[in-house]
Amino acid sequence: KNEVEQSPQNLTAQEGEFITINCSYSVGISALHWLQQHPGGGIVSLFMLSSGKKKHGRLIATINIQEKHSSLHITASHPRDSAVYICAVRPSGGGADGLTFGKGTHLIIQP
Amino acid sequence: DTGVSQNPRHKITKRGQNVTFRCDPISEHNRLYWYRQTLGQGPEFLTYFQNEAQLEKSRLLSDRFSAERPKGSFSTLEIQRTEQGDSAMYLCASSENRKTNEKLFFGSGTQLSVL
Repeated sequence: KNEVEQSPQNLTAQEGEFITINCSYSVGISALHWLQQHPGGGIVSLFMLSSGKKKHGRLIATINIQEKHSSLHITASHPRDSAVYICAVRPSGGGADGLTFGKGTHLIIQP
Repeated sequence: DTGVSQNPRHKITKRGQNVTFRCDPISEHNRLYWYRQTLGQGPEFLTYFQNEAQLEKSRLLSDRFSAERPKGSFSTLEIQRTEQGDSAMYLCASSENRKTNEKLFFGSGTQLSVL
C-alpha cells in the first residue's frame, strides 16, 4: 500500500467549477507539499503545509494532522489549471530526507 | 535566479551504455535531490546531498547508479550498464537548508529512453 494516496486519480470538470483533490497519508510527517506538473515534466511547488490552511490566488490547501489528510481546492477553475496535481509528504522521525509522493491527480478543465 | 537547470533534456541510449546527467541547482541552495518518475507514477526519491555530502540513498539506487556533488554546487547522476527498466524521467530539485521545512524547486528533468 502506497504511503500517500490521492483521490480522484482523474478528474474532468467544466470551467468555473470548484475543484477538490484529496490526499491521505499513513505515516507521521513534518510537512506536506502540493505540487503541479504540466506535460513535459516541469514541477512547480504550490504549497508547503505543516498545519492549518494556506491560500494563494484561487488555490487553497488545508491539512488535518490528526486525520492524516490534506485537500487542495481550486476555485473558479480555468482550462489553464489543467495539470497533474501531486501530494508529497516529508516523513518525520528520521530516515530518507526526500519526499514520498502520491501518484498524482490528472485534472482536465474543459472550456 | 535562473532556477534549477538539468541537462540534457532528453537522452536516448542503447542498453548497456553508460549515461550521465547534470543538475545545476539554484546558486544559494545547499540541498539537492534526485528523483525518478515513470509514466503515470509520482516521483520516487533516489538520493540527496547537503552541500557536497551525500546524506541518503534510496534502496532504488542500485550499484549501477552513482551521484556526486563534488564542490557542493552542480551534481551529476551516472547510470552504468543501462537497462530498459531505467527508462524514466530523472528529476533534480534544490532547496535552502533551513530549520523550518523548505520549499523545493524542481528542474524540468532529463527524459531517458533505453532501447
